Amino acid sequence: GAGVSQTPSNKVTEKGKYVELRCDPISGHTALYWYRQSLGQGPEFLIYFQGTGAADDSGLPNDRFFAVRPEGSVSTLKIQRTERGDSAVYLCASSLRGPGLAGDEQFFGPGTRLTVL
Amino acid sequence: AQKVTQAQTEISVVEKEDVTLDCVYETRDTTYYLFWYKQPPSGELVFLIRRNSFDEQNEISGRYSWNFQKSTSSFNFTITASQVVDSAVYFCALSEEETSGSRLTFGEGTQLTVNP
Repeated sequence: GAGVSQTPSNKVTEKGKYVELRCDPISGHTALYWYRQSLGQGPEFLIYFQGTGAADDSGLPNDRFFAVRPEGSVSTLKIQRTERGDSAVYLCASSLRGPGLAGDEQFFGPGTRLTVL
Repeated sequence: AQKVTQAQTEISVVEKEDVTLDCVYETRDTTYYLFWYKQPPSGELVFLIRRNSFDEQNEISGRYSWNFQKSTSSFNFTITASQVVDSAVYFCALSEEETSGSRLTFGEGTQLTVNP
């Protein structure tokens, strides 16, 4: 079956602009996660959703970052007033059962490479 | 706080050599899970294995094997008879049942290059 998909695969924007990154999880997966991976580093947690609600948003770096999952499936990560330091690969993952079940395997998408000029 | 350390930034071997990737973790939880993911040049993270904190049995899957030792807080990964296709960045990760739920804390990764 289809894996996690993310669009766009690449996004180039100018400092100060607004961007939206989309994630389409595996069908039937209740949990959805966003991570950010800077060059040469491991992914860092941003936020996860159980259904439509954000179960943990403690990884969001500041209030310029916001994510939604209005129907419990597709999620959008929104970044306002982008800064050069926001340049990274944004990874989305989904898992079958969700938060609170720490051993659940997370399936990752290919990522969106964001470049802020 | 949870932490994962992969001290080896880069490893280079010749095909058919065995190679071990080290992973050391820190956690205060008694129930936790350890993972290894592979990230090939294409960029997509590929799940390799998950172990829970109550199961210290070593595991072998083909050319891959994992050694989990709670006494040293380590979860090392060995590739036997390495192949060029094993070239990738490998990440060790931790999730904690009580403290941080299902979010993954990753190490910095080890870049493995297998030369023909």
